[in-house]
Amino acid sequence: DAKTTQPPSMDCAEGRAANLPCNHSTISGNEYVYWYRQIHSQGPQYIIHGLKNNETNEMASLIITEDRKSSTLILPHATLRDTAVYYCIVRVAINTNAGKSTFGDGTTLTVKP
Amino acid sequence: GAVVSQHPSWVICKSGTSVKIECRSLDFQATTMFWYRQFPKQSLMLMATSNEGSKATYEQGVEKDKFLINHASLTLSTLTVTSAHPEDSSFYICSMVNPIITYGYTFGSGTRLTVV
Repeated sequence: DAKTTQPPSMDCAEGRAANLPCNHSTISGNEYVYWYRQIHSQGPQYIIHGLKNNETNEMASLIITEDRKSSTLILPHATLRDTAVYYCIVRVAINTNAGKSTFGDGTTLTVKP
Repeated sequence: GAVVSQHPSWVICKSGTSVKIECRSLDFQATTMFWYRQFPKQSLMLMATSNEGSKATYEQGVEKDKFLINHASLTLSTLTVTSAHPEDSSFYICSMVNPIITYGYTFGSGTRLTVV
């Protein structure tokens, strides 16, 4: 599986958009980009995923560059409860361990009042 | 939405005893499940992968005789920490491959294990 790199930390003002980048320059054509977040002492929570098109759900938007080598998770109106560690991973969409992914260090997003 | 129930959420045990952690998917079937451990201020570290009906595959450096994984069914996986020692104290998290989100992971809520 391709590896990802993310900035270690970011700050965002409450109510503003938080844009979290992820680099996955070695992504394969059949690998999806998945985003998760982890609030302290909890299991990671799924946010969104995509293959090549931009995606939006009730939590966030995902923008994937045309060459698929990077993506950006957008939290349109960050709240204090969005303070967490955000992980992006890439993985083949397959129901076996052939698509196991390793987690990097993620980005610690701090939303400030 | 898809839910993975993980129990217990926290446990304290004496050194030398064994602890079982259970993960159960409530609304989907998972052929593949993963177990992680996480130390404070660190990322998730994959311990092992299990497929239903077969033996687990352990990552390098993880003792298979110490961390027993049983993938009993398509909805249930258990991790047993045998003869626990203080250095086994950690946050343990399971995840399951979830077809509902295009085979992404759905995680359990985690188990805080403290060995005294």
